[in-house]
Amino acid sequence: DTEVTQTPKHLVMGMTNKKSLKCEQHMGHRAMYWYKQKAKKPPELMFVYSYEKLSINESVPSRFSPECPNSSLLNLHLHALQPEDSALYLCASSQYGGSYEQYFGPGTRLTVT
Amino acid sequence: TQLLEQSPQFLSIQEGENLTVYCNSSSVFSSLQWYRQEPGEGPVLLVTVVTGGEVKKLKRLTFQFGDARKDSSLHITAAQPGDTGLYLCAVPLPGTASKLTFGTGTRLQVTL
Repeated sequence: DTEVTQTPKHLVMGMTNKKSLKCEQHMGHRAMYWYKQKAKKPPELMFVYSYEKLSINESVPSRFSPECPNSSLLNLHLHALQPEDSALYLCASSQYGGSYEQYFGPGTRLTVT
Repeated sequence: TQLLEQSPQFLSIQEGENLTVYCNSSSVFSSLQWYRQEPGEGPVLLVTVVTGGEVKKLKRLTFQFGDARKDSSLHITAAQPGDTGLYLCAVPLPGTASKLTFGTGTRLQVTL
């Protein structure tokens, strides 16, 4: 099973809402990632979790709050977002230990109104 | 300044044509990956190349890593509409084990 699942597929939220994006993988991977992708642009790394600990935060605003409850799950909590945060949010995983091959989920299309 | 520059940025061709996409940098990398991303979906890993001069084939797709490990190419033979998508090269940032940086992307459209 090389699948990474993400829910929801689409999300529309107001600037005062609180919502969460969820990601799950069952490949036994120990590194998980959140990326943000704007239209016609490549993905941009936001966060990296390694062995359930946050190892990289690419200076992401605090209105984005990641959480890794266990080795299979990754959440991204959203609060007080801005319209410019509208984008495709991608989750990925890879086997820790020097493997760079990342497996991506289908993404959550987020629209902030 | 982009670490990885891809060319062309956009390519529109007819079914059956051949094409080549390039990924260039002035830096040397330990490995390089190619991904394809279809609209509304996440990127899907196509191949990883690790040795300078390495050539890998995946059906009608041929990937080559430059001898100096600074660049790569992707050649598609007899393109089909199913090849439509965004093609991204990606490399691990020097000194990091898990941090990928992506190229600028090539958007391919194959029409009947």
